[in-house]
Amino acid sequence: GAVVSQHPSRVICKSGTSVKIECRSLDFQATTMFWYRQFPKKSLMLMATSNEGSKATYEQGVEKDKFLINHASLTLSTLTVTSAHPEDSSFYICSASDGKRNNQPQHFGDGTRLSIL
Amino acid sequence: SQQGEEDPQALSIQEGENATMNCSYKTSINNLQWYRQNSGRGLVHLILIRSNEREKHSGRLRVTLDTSKKSSSLLITASRAADTASYFCATDGGNTGKLIFGQGTTLQVKP
Repeated sequence: GAVVSQHPSRVICKSGTSVKIECRSLDFQATTMFWYRQFPKKSLMLMATSNEGSKATYEQGVEKDKFLINHASLTLSTLTVTSAHPEDSSFYICSASDGKRNNQPQHFGDGTRLSIL
Repeated sequence: SQQGEEDPQALSIQEGENATMNCSYKTSINNLQWYRQNSGRGLVHLILIRSNEREKHSGRLRVTLDTSKKSSSLLITASRAADTASYFCATDGGNTGKLIFGQGTTLQVKP
C-alpha cells in the first residue's frame, strides 16, 4: 500500500531554533500533501495544504511566516517551524493522497513530536 | 474548524465485546472516512463510505452513514486488546481534498 514517511520522529531543541520536518511519499506521487497539528488528547487540526510547484494554502489563523511549507517535488513536502518557541511544541503529522482529490483515503506519516525547551 | 463531533469521547470494554462509535457532521459531504490512531503514531485509514452508500463492511468493521441525519457510526465486532486506539471520523471538505476530523473516540479494550 501507499507509504508516507515522515522525518524526524522526534525533535527536542532550544527556543529560537528553526526546525524542518520532511514528509515523503515513498511509492506514489503526491501533488498535494497536508500538514496537521495535534495537541495531546485532541483531534487533528489542518494547518495547510501543500501543493507541488506552487504556494501552500494556509488555514485561517495559521501564520505562514511561522510555518514555512515547501513542496518542491511530487514526493517531498517540508514544514519548517521558524524561530520555534515552547508554544509551538506539538505533534505534527503530514498526509498525502495518491489518487484523485475526492473519494480517496489519505496516507499519513507517523508524525513528528516537537518539543521546544 | 473541526466540524465532526464524536461520541463517546472515551469507551472502555472487555475483549470480545462490540464497540460502537458515532460521528456527526454539519455540512454536505462526498464521503466520510474513519481512521485509527495508535498512541503517538500517525493515522491509519480504515474505511471510506460514499455519500450514496448506507453501509459498508471491512472485516470486523461495519460503518453506517445516514446523510439525512448527518451522522455515521463505526462498529467493531469481537474486539481485541490490539484494537485499543483512538478512532476519528473525517469528512471531505467538498472539492478541496481537505479532511475535516471529528474529535475522536478513545477506545480501550481490556484483555
